[in-house]
Amino acid sequence: QKEVEQDPGPLSVPEGAIVSLNCTYSNSAFQYFMWYRQYSRKGPELLMYTYSSGNKEDGRFTAQVDKSSKYISLFIRDSQPSDSATYLCAMSMHAGGTSYGKLTFGQGTILTVHP
Amino acid sequence: DGGITQSPKYLFRKEGQNVTLSCEQNLNHDAMYWYRQDPGQGLRLIYYSQIVNDFQKGDIAEGYSVSREKKESFPLTVTSAQKNPTAFYLCASSFGLYNEQFFGPGTRLTVL
Repeated sequence: QKEVEQDPGPLSVPEGAIVSLNCTYSNSAFQYFMWYRQYSRKGPELLMYTYSSGNKEDGRFTAQVDKSSKYISLFIRDSQPSDSATYLCAMSMHAGGTSYGKLTFGQGTILTVHP
Repeated sequence: DGGITQSPKYLFRKEGQNVTLSCEQNLNHDAMYWYRQDPGQGLRLIYYSQIVNDFQKGDIAEGYSVSREKKESFPLTVTSAQKNPTAFYLCASSFGLYNEQFFGPGTRLTVL
């Protein structure tokens, strides 16, 4: 079993829809949670970063972490064709020691928003 | 402009040859990382370096080597020992406690 599971999709939605992307994880030591967006043939770019449980909102994007269920989500409101990309969740345990900087990524979900 | 650059964008190699991928950053980040991305497998960590002259193996280090002689540079060598080197290679860097890693544009390596 992988430490981080993410449904690869593909997910196809109409413009304006609310999109929900999810990851589950098995390691309860994960504390830092990130979402990256990756356009085709480009490097990933950091979208959202959260620490521990709770919600964080940034414009049309909301990141949600539920540590009790080991489940994180990214919601995209009023989705646009420019949101079409692969979305990767990532998480890490802590900074410091030999685990410093080590992110564990999900497989990525391919999202297409059609006009 | 601050950022991470990788070169070349596309690289072709014959079997049995070593090849070196370049990664440079001007973000003044301490830590740098190399990942490999294959279709449907997400990103897998090859090597990472917290400071100059120090680096650690990641999850799939076999067949790869790195050096960190300067803070700004972290080149990756794909050796002939790497059995399946065709992939998209991504370099990243980070600064501070929160592990927010910033990625370069990637190098697509194809072994012919």
